[in-house]
Parts: sequence; structure tokens; C-alpha cells
Amino acid sequence: GNSVTQMEGPVTLSEEAFLTINCTYTATGYPSLFWYVQYPGEGLQLLLKATKADDKGSNKGFEATYRKETTSFHLEKGSVQVSDSAVYFCALVKYNFNKFYFGSGTKLNVKP
Amino acid sequence: KAGVTQTPRYLIKTRGQQVTLSCSPISGHRSVSWYQQTPGQGLQFLFEYFSETQRNKGNFPGRFSGRQFSNSRSEMNVSTLELGDSALYLCASSWTTNTGELFFGEGSRLTVL
Repeated sequence: GNSVTQMEGPVTLSEEAFLTINCTYTATGYPSLFWYVQYPGEGLQLLLKATKADDKGSNKGFEATYRKETTSFHLEKGSVQVSDSAVYFCALVKYNFNKFYFGSGTKLNVKP
Repeated sequence: KAGVTQTPRYLIKTRGQQVTLSCSPISGHRSVSWYQQTPGQGLQFLFEYFSETQRNKGNFPGRFSGRQFSNSRSEMNVSTLELGDSALYLCASSWTTNTGELFFGEGSRLTVL
């Protein structure tokens, strides 16, 4: 079946630290991969996506590369800010179905 | 441009009751999906509607149902509520079934006592 596994949180970092949130997936075929972010009291927002192997998605300083050989899509940011504090969800979808599979979410706390 | 609107935002029910949640998608979006978010299970897909037809369904009991109207607005209904139905119910819309991007509402938080 299809599933997404991401690292447990919370992750606590100081401002300007380097961020990595690990995400691995299991899927048949060729899924598209996503990172969504949920700020407190809000719904999920798309952060970035990659639709095929070796694609790199990037947005707001975050980036992730679709690695088919390791079935991974790790999220990275070189210098986090307090405003990045949120819950981050890794997800996959296979086209012809609008059914997303989400990871359990990783809470990021950034301290000034 | 207005985002996805969900009503009500918060509600409290007792076991055995039923509840109806509403979702208005972004104008022009024809696909509406529903997800249940709980601390233990995370985000789980309930169902997706496109042009008033249910296109996909998750692994939830028949107590969970939904529908979509001709203006793309959607409702979901949970009958015979159980304590375990307490969750944040998120609605998401997209242009079509295959866009790969969902636009989420802020959710309806249901508490079952």
C-alpha cells in the first residue's frame, strides 16, 4: 500500500540553525510528493512539491529533492526563523486519484 | 480571492447524535476532499467529490457520508456519533482531480462528549 513516514517531533532549533525533517515513502508506481505546513489555528498550506524523480521543490528557503532510489523526500532549510514554527507534513498522491497520504506531521519550534 | 470556508468552526455533540459540516470551496474549484485529523491517527482521507459525484472513499464506516451540490459546496455528515469521532475535520478543494495541490480550510473541530 501507500504510506508516508516522517520523523517524530517536536524539533526544537535556535533561530538561524539548519533544519532537516526526514520523510520516506512507500508507494507503487510514480507518486508526486509534497510538503504541507500547518501554522497554529490554520489549515494546511502547500509548501513545495516534486512530481518526478530527481525533481527539487523549493519555496521560502525550504527545499526537498525527490529521491526514488532511497524513496525519500527530506525537507531542508539553511537558516530557520521563529516564523517557521509550525507543523510540517510530508505527503504523496498518485495521479488519477485525489487521495493524499500524509505523514504524521513534525512540529518545529524555533527559539529566538 | 476567498479561500476555503468551513462551518461551523467548533461544535460539541453527545454520543449518538449526528452532525453536518459544511465546506465552500474556492470559486472555480470543482473537487472537494475531506480529511479527519486526530493526534493519534494524523490526517486520514475520508472522501472526495468532483462534479457532485463521489470519486474516492477512505476506510471509514458508513456512518460517515457526504455530498456535493451543483455549486461545488460540500457537506459531510456523521451519524450516531462516537467518542472517537472527536477530531478536526478538514476540507480541501482543487481545480480538478489531478492537480496535485489541495487548498485547505481551517477545519471544523468536533468534540463528542
